[in-house]
Amino acid sequence: QVQLQESGPGLVKPSETLSLTCTVSGDSMSTHYWSWIRQPPGKGLEWIGYIYYSGTSKYNPSLKSRVTISMDTSKNQFSLRLSSVTAADSAVYYCAREYCNNTSCYFFDYWGQGTLVTVSS
Amino acid sequence: QSVLTQPPSVSAAPGQKVTISCSGSSSNIGKIYVSWYQQLPGTAPKLLIYDNDQRPSGIPDRFSGSKSGTSATLGITGLQTGDEADYYCGTWDSSLSAYVFGTGTKVTVL
Repeated sequence: QVQLQESGPGLVKPSETLSLTCTVSGDSMSTHYWSWIRQPPGKGLEWIGYIYYSGTSKYNPSLKSRVTISMDTSKNQFSLRLSSVTAADSAVYYCAREYCNNTSCYFFDYWGQGTLVTVSS
Repeated sequence: QSVLTQPPSVSAAPGQKVTISCSGSSSNIGKIYVSWYQQLPGTAPKLLIYDNDQRPSGIPDRFSGSKSGTSATLGITGLQTGDEADYYCGTWDSSLSAYVFGTGTKVTVL
């Protein structure tokens, strides 16, 4: 059974960098795409981006200048860094396994439980 | 602002059927498979439908998906109180080069 678990600080100060890690169990990271998705309180879902084991990554254009997704296959983990955060970045952040090919992505079949990150001084 | 539009809410009595629409464009739904997600209160989204009309293992056949042109539809038959949740459509947008989700629909069982 594939399981994903997010971890990281629940509170980040404005202008600082948000850092989260997703630990994957039950699957090899070398066979899928791995993504981050967020959901502000009471609002809808927003795709942040993905990383493939080859190192290829793709980001939402609306966040591209501030986002970095990296992977450590030896630890079966992938990470999100979002710089220069503001209150608008407060959200539940989910990691997920994504089905893609080299041109498009199709769906997310396994999700972490999510972690709430609040941006506040 | 999402490029995929869903009705904010739908409702029906137990045992009845509801349908949820997802309207997009030629750069997303008109070109790529659509998936649907159920988000029960306080939980992570769960994949309900992928590739327009396919159900993952364990999803009952009360849930169905279809696509026509630049719109997709999720149907739920035999509505149960446990189906009260938010439902989201999603697909890839080739113009944005990004995965996009619908605005979300809250299903209420009367």
